[in-house]
Amino acid sequence: GENVEQHPSTLSVQEGDSAVIKCTYSDSASNYFPWYKQELGKRPQLIIDIRSNVGEKKDQRIAVTLNKTAKHFSLHITETQPEDSAVYFCAVSDKLIFGTGTRLQVFP
Amino acid sequence: DAGVIQSPRHEVTEMGQEVTLRCKPISGHDYLFWYRQTMMRGLELLIYFNNNVPIDDSGMPEDRFSAKMPNASFSTLKIQPSEPRDSAVYFCASSLAAAGVGETQYFGPGTRLLVL
Repeated sequence: GENVEQHPSTLSVQEGDSAVIKCTYSDSASNYFPWYKQELGKRPQLIIDIRSNVGEKKDQRIAVTLNKTAKHFSLHITETQPEDSAVYFCAVSDKLIFGTGTRLQVFP
Repeated sequence: DAGVIQSPRHEVTEMGQEVTLRCKPISGHDYLFWYRQTMMRGLELLIYFNNNVPIDDSGMPEDRFSAKMPNASFSTLKIQPSEPRDSAVYFCASSLAAAGVGETQYFGPGTRLLVL
């Protein structure tokens, strides 16, 4: 079955800096890689996703890169803001196997 | 659309009692997923349905857990008897198609369950 590892588990950055979170997976047949943001006490919400036929996707300050050969994908947040503080989860495959989450704190 | 609706939002019960969690997916969505979230185990898929039919229940922890989807607009997750280790937030999510084909999963607000 699929196995997903997510790093780091916590990440603290200064406002305006960039943040990068990485996930690795094991099943080379996986082809869908969403990222979810979960604020404290709230539900996970999709912020960006990527399919295996592209290597990068951007949406304003958020980007995701995918390396299918190495079986890893990363979330990049530029110009971080305090409201970016949350737990971020990667997920893999159509059954949404989730990573263990990264708690991002952005300090003003 | 009101989004995915879950009830109750909070449930406190005593060990051994039956617990029923309810979910109403977004109208027109043909996939429904039940997840459990804890600090120790993170977000885990319990079971999912396609067109009201259970497709994969391999994530259901044990026989004390059961899920049904009697129609396209309603699903239940039942725990009988409940145990303290079942304490968690239970999320329901729905989508138009399996996420692998590119449809977003929309999560409900969750039910926070505490078993004493």
